[in-house]
Parts: sequence; C-alpha cells; structure tokens
Amino acid sequence: AQSVAQPEDQVNVAEGNPLTVKCTYSVSGNPYLFWYVQYPNRGLQFLLKYITGDNLVKGSYGFEAEFNKSQTSFHLKKPSALVSDSALYFCAVRWALYNFNKFYFGSGTKLNVKP
Amino acid sequence: EPEVTQTPSHQVTQMGQEVILRCVPISNHLYFYWYRQILGQKVEFLVSFYNNEISEKSEIFDDQFSVERPDGSNFTLKIRSTKLEDSAMYFCASRPASYEQYFGPGTRLTVT
Repeated sequence: AQSVAQPEDQVNVAEGNPLTVKCTYSVSGNPYLFWYVQYPNRGLQFLLKYITGDNLVKGSYGFEAEFNKSQTSFHLKKPSALVSDSALYFCAVRWALYNFNKFYFGSGTKLNVKP
Repeated sequence: EPEVTQTPSHQVTQMGQEVILRCVPISNHLYFYWYRQILGQKVEFLVSFYNNEISEKSEIFDDQFSVERPDGSNFTLKIRSTKLEDSAMYFCASRPASYEQYFGPGTRLTVT
C-alpha cells in the first residue's frame, strides 16, 4: 500500500546548525514528493516539491530536499537553522499513475530550533 | 498573493446536527480538496473534486459527507448528523494544473 513515513516525532537543533527532517515513502511507481510546513493555528504552507529531474530541489525559506530513489527518501534540509523555523513539518506523496489526486501525508515532525 | 480562505475558523455544533464548512479556493485553480486533521494525528485526505464532480474519495468520506461547488467560487463540505469523532481541523486545498496544492487556514470543528 502507498504510504509515507516520518520516523521522528520531534527534531531539536540549535540555531545556526544544519537541520534534517526525514521522510521515506513506500516503493510503488513514480512518486511526486512535497514538503509542507504548519505554524500554530495556520494551514499548511507549501515549501518545495520533487517531480522529476535534479534530485536536489530548493524551496522557500532556504530549505532544500534530496530525492534518493534507492533509499526511497526525501529528507528536508537547511544548512543553518533559524528559531523562526520552529514549526510542524509534513512530507506528502502523490503517485503519478494511480490515486492521482490523493496526497498521502506523513505524521509530521515537530522542529524545535533553540537560540 | 492569492490565498485559499475558509469560514468559519471555528465551528461548534451538537452531535447529530448538520454543518457546512465553506472554502473559497484560489480563483484560477481547477482541482479542489478537503482534508481533515484530528488533534495530534496526521492530515488525512477526504475527497478531491474536479470539473464539478468528485474525482476521488477516501474510505472516510462516506454517505455522511458531501461536497458542492454551488456558484463557481465557493467549495463546501457538508457533514450530516455529526458525531463526536468528527471533531477535527478541516482543511480545504486547491491547485492549478501544476502539482502542488495550496491549503487554507482550516476550520476547527468541535462536536459536543
């Protein structure tokens, strides 16, 4: 079955340090991969996506993510974390060939950036 | 920058009542969605809507739920005979022909 996993409920990092938020997906067809961020009492904001092409994609607010087909992963990264990056991050997957309109979301990872 | 809007931001209703959650998608978008997020849980797909009909729905989206695009701008989710377990944040989303979906701020539904 199609699914996406975020193995860490919470990630803690000091301001200025690099951050990684992990995401893996089940192997099934060609995935379209997305990262969203949710601030308290707000909706989901689109950060970046991988559809095809270069495995390293860059998005909003200095975030980037690397698509790794062999490891079925799409980890979110940022070279230098800011306190304002503290939020809930969701990975989402769509599959190209079936359930075309359906986004599968991970369970979310809470990122805490400490000053 | 255009945004998806949702009203109300918070709806409290009694068990057994009907509620209608409203969304105004971004104007040139073609695909419309409803998701829900029960407190502390993941965001779950409910339904997608394209060309004035449901294109896909999840197992959650049973006969209790319905969607409508009554006037070309609004996109509504109706929940009939609400149950306690319907309490959640309900997110509307829309997208153009490209891939990413744009989400509204959500409606918090509390069923008492």
